[in-house]
Amino acid sequence: GDSVTQMEGPVTLSEEAFLTINCTYTATGYPSLFWYVQYPGEGLQLLLKATKADDKGSNKGFEATYRKETTSFHLEKGSVQVSDSAVYFCALSAKTSGSRLTFGEGTQLTVNP
Amino acid sequence: EPEVTQTPSHQVTQMGQEVILRCVPISNHLYFYWYRQILGQKVEFLVSFYNNEISEKSEIFDDQFSVERPDGSNFTLKIRSTKLEDSAMYFCASSENGLGLPFFGPGTRLTVL
Repeated sequence: GDSVTQMEGPVTLSEEAFLTINCTYTATGYPSLFWYVQYPGEGLQLLLKATKADDKGSNKGFEATYRKETTSFHLEKGSVQVSDSAVYFCALSAKTSGSRLTFGEGTQLTVNP
Repeated sequence: EPEVTQTPSHQVTQMGQEVILRCVPISNHLYFYWYRQILGQKVEFLVSFYNNEISEKSEIFDDQFSVERPDGSNFTLKIRSTKLEDSAMYFCASSENGLGLPFFGPGTRLTVL
């Protein structure tokens, strides 16, 4: 079945550091890929998405590129801020399953001033 | 901005008791979902609901679980006889159509003692 694997966390960085959170997936066909973010006390919010190979999703300084050859969708940001502290979830949606999402474990990011 | 709301934010119950988790989806959305996240584990799909019936459910969604849309605004998840392993964060979500991205609520933390 479909699955998503994220790098083990938590991740602690200083402000303005470079961020990478690794995500790899297993799926039949060509899934859509997503990063969701959960700030403390809030719901899961879509951060960015990519729907086909080599697409780059970007939002709020975050980027991720859909790499079919390595089945990866790593999240990156060049300079993190304290306000980026949150839990980040990688997810996929197989085209045949409509909106049903398969999530990774989530990665807790803490950014210190 | 429209949002999905969930009540209560935290529910504590005794093993064997029935619980009902409540959600108010976004008003023009037609598809509704429940996901759960056991502490430290992945966010898992439970069930999707459309046109007053279950459209898809996972192997987790056994006879102890049921969903209902009792009126035009609420969407509920009932656990008939809670077990310790039901302790988790439960997320409600809704989408405009079956292929659209779901919008998530903030979650209800269920603790079974």
